[in-house]
Amino acid sequence: EAQVTQNPRYLITVTGKKLTVTCSQNMNHEYMSWYRQDPGLGLRQIYYSMNVEVTDKGDVPEGYKVSRKEKRNFPLILESPSPNQTSLYFCASSFKAGGVNEQFFGPGTRLTVL
Amino acid sequence: GQQLNQSPQSMFIQEGEDVSMNCTSSSIFNTWLWYKQDPGEGPVLLIALYKAGELTSNGRLTAQFGITRKDSFLNISASIPSDVGIYFCAGLYSGNTGKLIFGQGTTLQVKP
Repeated sequence: EAQVTQNPRYLITVTGKKLTVTCSQNMNHEYMSWYRQDPGLGLRQIYYSMNVEVTDKGDVPEGYKVSRKEKRNFPLILESPSPNQTSLYFCASSFKAGGVNEQFFGPGTRLTVL
Repeated sequence: GQQLNQSPQSMFIQEGEDVSMNCTSSSIFNTWLWYKQDPGEGPVLLIALYKAGELTSNGRLTAQFGITRKDSFLNISASIPSDVGIYFCAGLYSGNTGKLIFGQGTTLQVKP
């Protein structure tokens, strides 16, 4: 089944404890992206990747890192999480960036930072 | 960052009623998209619009790409309980970064 998977789905952690949220897609998509969803703000892009080893900042990159060593994986890294990073996170992928290429979203990771 | 203004924020309607929601932007978009998010899941694409003035249907859903390229609306006819969820408009940011600019979402509740 073609899909985007994220792990974990739920995470409660404490300020300053490094964490990684994994994202994997099995559709051979070149483009992958991370969004965060907050009430009243919709989804905002954190980072995106056009292809392997090519990543760039979105609208809200502060406090986050990403890597794209393989085409299928695009982990989101929080080196020192803070409470304002409590949010619902979505990974998305598409064949290529933009145009008619539909972005498929993962099921989300709900992160709480205490 | 840039945002779209989506309204209404929430709607509580009776089953069988029609629903209308819209999005406006101060910027021009070349592509408008409408997504639905069910509880505990990621957004799923409902309708994509690629041309100013375009009117597209998907079952009971109809969406239009505004002539000015700064707005779009979504209509749902004869609502049913499974229409419950959050609906998002999104504009595809120009510059080929693939970035989607999302509206704040419209939460729809349908009373059987």
